[in-house]
Amino acid sequence: KAGVTQTPRYLIKTRGQQVTLSCSPISGHRSVSWYQQTPGQGLQFLFEYFSETQRNKGNFPGRFSGRQFSNSRSEMNVSTLELGDSALYLCASSPLTSGGALGTDTQYFGPGTRLTVL
Amino acid sequence: SQQGEEDPQALSIQEGENATMNCSYKTSINNLQWYRQNSGRGLVHLILIRSNEREKHSGRLRVTLDTSKKSSSLLITASRAADTASYFCATDAGSNFGNEKLTFGTGTRLTIIP
Repeated sequence: KAGVTQTPRYLIKTRGQQVTLSCSPISGHRSVSWYQQTPGQGLQFLFEYFSETQRNKGNFPGRFSGRQFSNSRSEMNVSTLELGDSALYLCASSPLTSGGALGTDTQYFGPGTRLTVL
Repeated sequence: SQQGEEDPQALSIQEGENATMNCSYKTSINNLQWYRQNSGRGLVHLILIRSNEREKHSGRLRVTLDTSKKSSSLLITASRAADTASYFCATDAGSNFGNEKLTFGTGTRLTIIP
């Protein structure tokens, strides 16, 4: 099976702009999670989608949003970009065939999107 | 704030030696996972240990979990240059908190010296 893919891999934006990142999970995986990784804050959970529904959300402002489509592909959007949004954004998919909690199964990570805000 | 804290923050050892990393967490968990990350890339899942398990093995990896101390350790035996990476523990907050998500620790940067 193909792994988790994320597009684009690199992105440069300026403050105030918005950005949309895309994630294609492993075929058959229904859970998609997003994470932000920065040198200062480490890996932080953004949100998780399961069967098109957002189940969990981390402590991020409303500028961060996401959605999941019926084919399990997911997008996340960041509006009104700030310098501090510069980070590696990681997407992960998980089988969770029984619809169980996020921590009960392996997460398969994509390579990430490196976002730089100038 | 981070749920997990890894110790040490950085570790350098000679190839062939064993490497031990520790993870401490704050709240009750259902499961704890270990992941590896190579230099700014995506994470790779290593092992999952459930709260009712005390030890688990996978190849050269050995993970222990002590829920009374809220800590876990990852042992890599007979290290190889390819093991050079950052290692993270990840915990779920458990259903008691009504918000199942994975919280990652701060990571241990492991360098294997050939």
